[in-house]
Amino acid sequence: NAGVTQTPKFQVLKTGQSMTLQCAQDMNHEYMSWYRQDPGMGLRLIHYSVGAGITDQGEVPNGYNVSRSTTEDFPLRLLSAAPSQTSVYFCASSSRPRDTQYFGPGTRLTVL
Amino acid sequence: AQSVTQPDIHITVSEGASLELRCNYSYGATPYLFWYVQSPGQGLQLLLKYFSGDTLVQGIKGFEAEFKRSQSSFNLRKPSVHWSDAAEYFCAAADGGFQKLVFGTGTRLLVSP
Repeated sequence: NAGVTQTPKFQVLKTGQSMTLQCAQDMNHEYMSWYRQDPGMGLRLIHYSVGAGITDQGEVPNGYNVSRSTTEDFPLRLLSAAPSQTSVYFCASSSRPRDTQYFGPGTRLTVL
Repeated sequence: AQSVTQPDIHITVSEGASLELRCNYSYGATPYLFWYVQSPGQGLQLLLKYFSGDTLVQGIKGFEAEFKRSQSSFNLRKPSVHWSDAAEYFCAAADGGFQKLVFGTGTRLLVSP
């Protein structure tokens, strides 16, 4: 099992560019989520999904878009990158929301 | 609003000494509680979790945590710290619907020789 994988590991964007952060899991987990980690702020939930075709907003959803067409994949789209979106992004999955969440290794994004 | 507070940003402990990391929560009802550890450049790993029952919870790597309803606290402890425990530790909570996990701001543990 690869667990939760994220690509890319590092990315530099210019303001206004769009991109998609990829997240995939091979554990057949229904629940997947995206967090951003900023110094001194812990992890904040961006979007989450309780199954294919079902997504909802977290604490800081503005500027981000998600979809869940398959159980395995949960991509995060930045529509028009802003410097405030410079952060480390983590994807996580679990079989049920209350179960142990497994985190990916993270994507470090810099927006210039 | 639901929140999790970790009052200590940094803690330095000598190797072999005991450790206690503080966590307080603010929820309408008792939430589900978690401690995660993040080593440098890595993702998060679950140390332990509390849902109900025994208020002293055992986790991996020799960690334990005690839930105290009266103090709205869920402090993490380890009797003897090893150099490899140096990392950042996050407390987290979720309500009964468990749709959203709320994290504290983290405590960075430094271990001195």
